[in-house]
Amino acid sequence: DQQVKQNSPSLSVQEGRISILNCDYTNSMFDYFLWYKKYPAEGPTFLISISSIKDKNEDGRFTVFLNKSAKHLSLHIVPSQPGDSAVYFCAARQNTGGFKTIFGAGTRLFVKA
Amino acid sequence: DVKVTQSSRYLVKRTGEKVFLECVQDMDHENMFWYRQDPGLGLRLIYFSYDVKMKEKGDIPEGYSVSREKKERFSLILESASTNQTSMYLCASSLGDSLGGDEQFFGPGTRLTVL
Repeated sequence: DQQVKQNSPSLSVQEGRISILNCDYTNSMFDYFLWYKKYPAEGPTFLISISSIKDKNEDGRFTVFLNKSAKHLSLHIVPSQPGDSAVYFCAARQNTGGFKTIFGAGTRLFVKA
Repeated sequence: DVKVTQSSRYLVKRTGEKVFLECVQDMDHENMFWYRQDPGLGLRLIYFSYDVKMKEKGDIPEGYSVSREKKERFSLILESASTNQTSMYLCASSLGDSLGGDEQFFGPGTRLTVL
């Protein structure tokens, strides 16, 4: 039973346009949502996060939107750059004493020059 | 600069062998995690630890055990390696910040092949 789902395995976008990566979740107890980026042969790196009490967080070209009623979040990258080509993982954190984090399957983003 | 190191980038073992994967962080982080990454499945949590000598099972702990004797070191042990444990193994650590997102810092990964 996947608690965090990224239904698009891949996404292709032209350089300069907007990239929108989507994520759905099922567990109402998640208190934080995070996005990570992963290049080949490297570990994932943290990109941006959002608390469950907010609906938007912005950091430069990256904005995350949270719709709690729909249990849906999205990552917007504007403008997209070729260096953004990577696998993006959506993650959700549950405070169980430690901080258990559930990751989605990832979306591979291709930004074409 | 924060750093999580894993003992090997590539490892080849035989079925039935006992395998140790070591992870060390230099950030004085409370939490440490072991994941495996498989195509189409993303990162799946094997075990995590929020304090020395403390551990909790993740979503797929079967066939694995862990050890955290010192704060900076978290070891993953495959008691008797099997071919279905061929995977990329990723270690991560986090501060344990309950007020923030508590982002995790990942090592480069160990690609384990079990023959």
